[in-house]
Order: sequence, then structure tokens, then C-alpha cells
Amino acid sequence: DSGVTQTPKHLITATGQRVTLRCSPRSGDLSVYWYQQSLDQGLQFLIQYYNGEERAKGNILERFSAQQFPDLHSELNLSSLELGDSALYFCASSQGQGANEQFFGPGTRLTVL
Amino acid sequence: GEDVEQSLFLSVREGDSSVINCTYTDSSSTYLYWYKQEPGAGLQLLTYIFSNMDMKQDQRLTVLLNKKDKHLSLRIADTQTGDSAIYFCAESIGSSYKLIFGSGTRLLVRP
Repeated sequence: DSGVTQTPKHLITATGQRVTLRCSPRSGDLSVYWYQQSLDQGLQFLIQYYNGEERAKGNILERFSAQQFPDLHSELNLSSLELGDSALYFCASSQGQGANEQFFGPGTRLTVL
Repeated sequence: GEDVEQSLFLSVREGDSSVINCTYTDSSSTYLYWYKQEPGAGLQLLTYIFSNMDMKQDQRLTVLLNKKDKHLSLRIADTQTGDSAIYFCAESIGSSYKLIFGSGTRLLVRP
């Protein structure tokens, strides 16, 4: 158990819908990272927040957005969902701003029908 | 550019050593990592090495880094059936905070 929690574990929804994935980092970690794991793209970095502020952006679609709240939990919002958005979404956390020692949550499996 | 490559599959007999290889293209890598993913689970950080090191050993795991050839390897001694999983190599670059992952190597340990 990494100490990073993600809810829900599974999510099934339809195209065009909007969903919110939630992540709670390890106690004391200030950085939260979101990654997408799909069969065709592999593991891709989406976005990072540090202490409530966006720090880095990767291959994140405009239909996707994220935020980190004062209690340091983070939410990833996916809207206008397409079949290709079906993937495993991971959250990771680390103590500082750097990527050293990122600890991953169990992931949320999103299925878009 | 940023690219990390791994072979897709490795099969070893229980008790043998496993060596999983990885190559990367960006010479400004700061840290290089090995993660393990078991079926239905998240990624578990196994070990990492700073880019100015050649080797790191941690119990059954040995990481070797050849910076000149941009080659990273993970050796698992006395491989057990519980080591069967997908192993991902990843790099972080400079002051960037993102991890660039390889496609993963599926390790199968035969009894």
C-alpha cells in the first residue's frame, strides 16, 4: 500500500458524459501527478500540482482539467468523453516539487461505452 | 527527444537471475527509475538511480547505468514466482517533474 488513495476504482460511463476522478496523496506529500495508462499510448504524464498550484503539463487534452484543493487532495475532470478516453488513470504523489520518488495510487479504470 | 524503450517480454526459470533492459534517448536525464506493476494494481516504485551513479544495489535488485550508451538494466537475483509482473523503466529529465515511461517488460517466472 503506497498510501495514495484513488476513488472510484471503476467507472463506466457513456460518450459525451463528464466524470471526476479523485486522489488523496500520501500524508505529508505536497505534489500530485496524474497519468493515463492506455493500451495504445502506454503510460503518459498528464499534469502535476504542487501545493495547490499547477506545476507542469503533459499530454493533457483540453477536455480534461484538474485541480488541487487546500487539503491537498486532487480531482481530475474529464468531459465530453470519447471511446478513446477509456484507460487506467493513476495519481501519484511526492514530497517536493521534483519527480524523485513518486508513489502511485491503485488507479481508476474508466470505461467509456 | 524523450523516448524510453524496453523489450516486451522476458521468461526465466524460478531461482535464476532476470535482467531487464531499457534504453533512453535524452542525455539530460536526472533520475532513472524501475517500477513494478502487478495485474490489477498500481505501480510500485522498486528503485531509482541518480544519473551520475553507475550502480545501485538493494537486496535482490541491482541497477546498472551506462550513461554513455544511455542504457539502464535491472537485475533481479534468485527470481521468484512473485516477481512475475510488468516492469517499467522511467526517466525524469532536468528540472521537469514528469516521468517518461517505457512500454514495460512483462516478466514471466516459470516454476
